[in-house]
Amino acid sequence: NAGVTQTPKFQVLKTGQSMTLQCAQDMNHEYMSWYRQDPGMGLRLIHYSVGAGITDQGEVPNGYNVSRSTTEDFPLRLLSAAPSQTSVYFCASSPPPGQSNQPQHFGDGTRLSIL
Amino acid sequence: DAKTTQPTSMDCAEGRAANLPCNHSTISGNEYVYWYRQIHSQGPQYIIHGLKNNETNEMASLIITEDRKSSTLILPHATLRDTAVYYCIVRVNTGNQFYFGTGTSLTVIP
Repeated sequence: NAGVTQTPKFQVLKTGQSMTLQCAQDMNHEYMSWYRQDPGMGLRLIHYSVGAGITDQGEVPNGYNVSRSTTEDFPLRLLSAAPSQTSVYFCASSPPPGQSNQPQHFGDGTRLSIL
Repeated sequence: DAKTTQPTSMDCAEGRAANLPCNHSTISGNEYVYWYRQIHSQGPQYIIHGLKNNETNEMASLIITEDRKSSTLILPHATLRDTAVYYCIVRVNTGNQFYFGTGTSLTVIP
């Protein structure tokens, strides 16, 4: 059971480039989320999804797009990378909160640097 | 909006109990309290959660005050491997939004 898998683990981009951070989970969780973590700070919610075809914005959505075509995958797209998006990105998944309020499971993160 | 307040840092002697406080004075009746920890820059690790009653598992105990405005995470016998940043989070029962604050950096001292 792999849990939540994020790829790539590390990435360096130039300003203005676009890229997609991949997130996949094999636990059949309906809920998935993307967070960013800047140095010395806690995680901040970017976008989240409560099921295939349904997404919504979190605290810091600007500059990012998401889609959820399958239950397993929740990719995060940077449309035009900016140095302010240099951060560590975490993906998480969980069952809906009504199911015993099971916690979120997190991936190992993608470390992204924008030059 | 993190909805929780935690001390920035704490120390604890190895083998002693670590008591980490959290204030969540604006918590609503349908919001759960979750605790996670993060070691170095790894993904956050779930520890425990609760609504009203005290909870205990193999990792820790969670004590929630009767008015639910604060809680304490207790690591009964801290080890060096418990050195981490601990996050207290409230989550709406019907939502998927976890709001992390800046957490408490716990250092376990030999």
